Amino acid sequence: DVKVTQSSRYLVKRTGEKVFLECVQDMDHENMFWYRQDPGLGLRLIYFSYDVKMKEKGDIPEGYSVSREKKERFSLILESASTNQTSMYLCASSYRVLGANVLTFGAGSRLTVL
Amino acid sequence: DAKTTQPNSMESNEEEPVHLPCNHSTISGTDYIHWYRQLPSQGPEYVIHGLTSNVNNRMASLAIAEDRKSSTLILHRATLRDAAVYYCILRDALLSYNTDKLIFGTGTRLQVFP
Repeated sequence: DVKVTQSSRYLVKRTGEKVFLECVQDMDHENMFWYRQDPGLGLRLIYFSYDVKMKEKGDIPEGYSVSREKKERFSLILESASTNQTSMYLCASSYRVLGANVLTFGAGSRLTVL
Repeated sequence: DAKTTQPNSMESNEEEPVHLPCNHSTISGTDYIHWYRQLPSQGPEYVIHGLTSNVNNRMASLAIAEDRKSSTLILHRATLRDAAVYYCILRDALLSYNTDKLIFGTGTRLQVFP
């Protein structure tokens, strides 16, 4: 089975801190994604990457950046955390099945910014 | 991406079949219909996807209307472990091979009673 591992399940940070969320996948997938999930808003795409050192903005990239130096690792960076970035963050990678890309998600990282 | 409409919540008893509906009246000819589900405290997981024909796998069946304006995810015998939020998503397979952005709505919360 494909595994997507997020380094931290729970984090508590202070406003203004720099935050790194790490994600690793073990199946050599090219595409990786970062979503955030908030009650009533569903999952919203922050950034995605379709190759090493390549990145594309999703629907809500403001306040975030990403890094993909190796194929298996995709990091989400909050340069200066704010309280409105308190959320569940979900990483995913995708693979091709029967003509369509299928996502495999990690368990999520719940970030609280005080 | 075309929009989908799902009921906010549904209920079922254990070991009964469950039919989860999804309306997508603006679906295009190249849109795949994807279903994901999210168990409590976990990231979403892939369930099934299809284009025109009905599809079966070990988790569920997907019944697609002849005009493709609606579809139904069928769980043949609900278990307590099937209690989750189920998301119906459309994705244009031709739009972008690599940069696949699945847009999640708020889904249907399925409750399963013993």
